[in-house]
Amino acid sequence: KAGVTQTPRYLIKTRGQQVTLSCSPISGHRSVSWYQQTPGQGLQFLFEYFSETQRNKGNFPGRFSGRQFSNSRSEMNVSTLELGDSALYLCASSLGFSSTEAFFGQGTRLTVV
Amino acid sequence: AQTVTQSQPEMSVQEAETVTLSCTYDTSESDYYLFWYKQPPSRQMILVIRQEAYKQQNATENRFSVNFQKAAKSFSLKISDSQLGDAAMYFCAYRTGDSNYQLIWGAGTKLIIKP
Repeated sequence: KAGVTQTPRYLIKTRGQQVTLSCSPISGHRSVSWYQQTPGQGLQFLFEYFSETQRNKGNFPGRFSGRQFSNSRSEMNVSTLELGDSALYLCASSLGFSSTEAFFGQGTRLTVV
Repeated sequence: AQTVTQSQPEMSVQEAETVTLSCTYDTSESDYYLFWYKQPPSRQMILVIRQEAYKQQNATENRFSVNFQKAAKSFSLKISDSQLGDAAMYFCAYRTGDSNYQLIWGAGTKLIIKP
């Protein structure tokens, strides 16, 4: 059974640009959640999608957005990149019900220069 | 708001020995889940063990076990017979028991295994 796939693995962008990251969940999983990991702030929840609907959102500015497609694949977008957006972005998939755990991808390392 | 605290930034243990990583949390919820995740240098977050708050019995997965003290809001991880492959960052995480899937994380503990 394939795991959670995140693409690309590495990305370098210039300040002011926008970026789109992709996450393909485990087959059959309907929930995808996104986390930002930085040395200073640690792991922070961005948002969660379930069956194409955003079900929960963390405390991030509106420059961070996401969506989920009918096949459960999810994308997150960051517009007007800032140096502080440099981070490891982790995606997790789960069946989406309260009793189930999340499985993580290997992350996308975003560097903003 | 819920919080998770890991007070040990780094721990080291001799190979084959036992080590305990600490985690405390704060919540007013009665229904929730607690997790320990391992993040090796490959960066992928790997689930080590989970505990449902309504279960009094401590979870165990092979060499990994937890000491869940609900009243004290404490959730420590014990690793027995430590192996070199256990070296990683370990994160304690909390989520509520409702359908919203949001993990709240501790700051992590770096575990070093001495050969």
